[in-house]
Amino acid sequence: ETGVTQSPTHLIKTRGQQVTLRCSSQSGHNTVSWYQQALGQGPQFIFQYYREEENGRGNFPPRFSGLQFPNYSSELNVNALELDDSALYLCASSIQGGQFFGPGTRLTVL
Amino acid sequence: AQRVTQPEKLLSVFKGAPVELKCNYSYSGSPELFWYVQYSRQRLQLLLRHISRESIKGFTADLNKGETSFHLKKPFAQEEDSAMYYCALSGNTDKLIFGTGTRLQVFP
Repeated sequence: ETGVTQSPTHLIKTRGQQVTLRCSSQSGHNTVSWYQQALGQGPQFIFQYYREEENGRGNFPPRFSGLQFPNYSSELNVNALELDDSALYLCASSIQGGQFFGPGTRLTVL
Repeated sequence: AQRVTQPEKLLSVFKGAPVELKCNYSYSGSPELFWYVQYSRQRLQLLLRHISRESIKGFTADLNKGETSFHLKKPFAQEEDSAMYYCALSGNTDKLIFGTGTRLQVFP
């Protein structure tokens, strides 16, 4: 059984660009959640997908969007990047509570 | 408002000393409470959930609904306990609300 994986590990973009982050769920987990963790803060909920449908959204603007695929892997897309989007982006998968986190993608926006 | 408060950014103790990491929450309803831990260069991992009522690595946490607290305790700290600890809650969805975290440093 493999754990949650994320790619890429690190990414550097400039303001205004678009970025796609990827996440592979733990085997058998049908729910994926995305979190943003700014420096010195706890993770903040962005949104969650359950069986390819969005199943809840945090206080993030529409330029943050996502997808979940039939194999339960997921993407986070961010358009029109801003400097404040610089953070660690975490993906977590779950099936019945108790979320399991990936290692994260460190995004730097210059 | 749904909120998790961890009042201490840093807690430093010597090996063998008792540890208590504080967590208070605000939620209208019956939340599920969790403690997550992040060791150096490792991913965030689940340490405890209140419904399990178990002890993991010597840590325990009791949900006190009257005080809306879920403090994490260990009677004798070990150097390998040094890590970042996050308290989190979830309501009627799997969405987790995290506190800002407490860094525990255990000195030899």
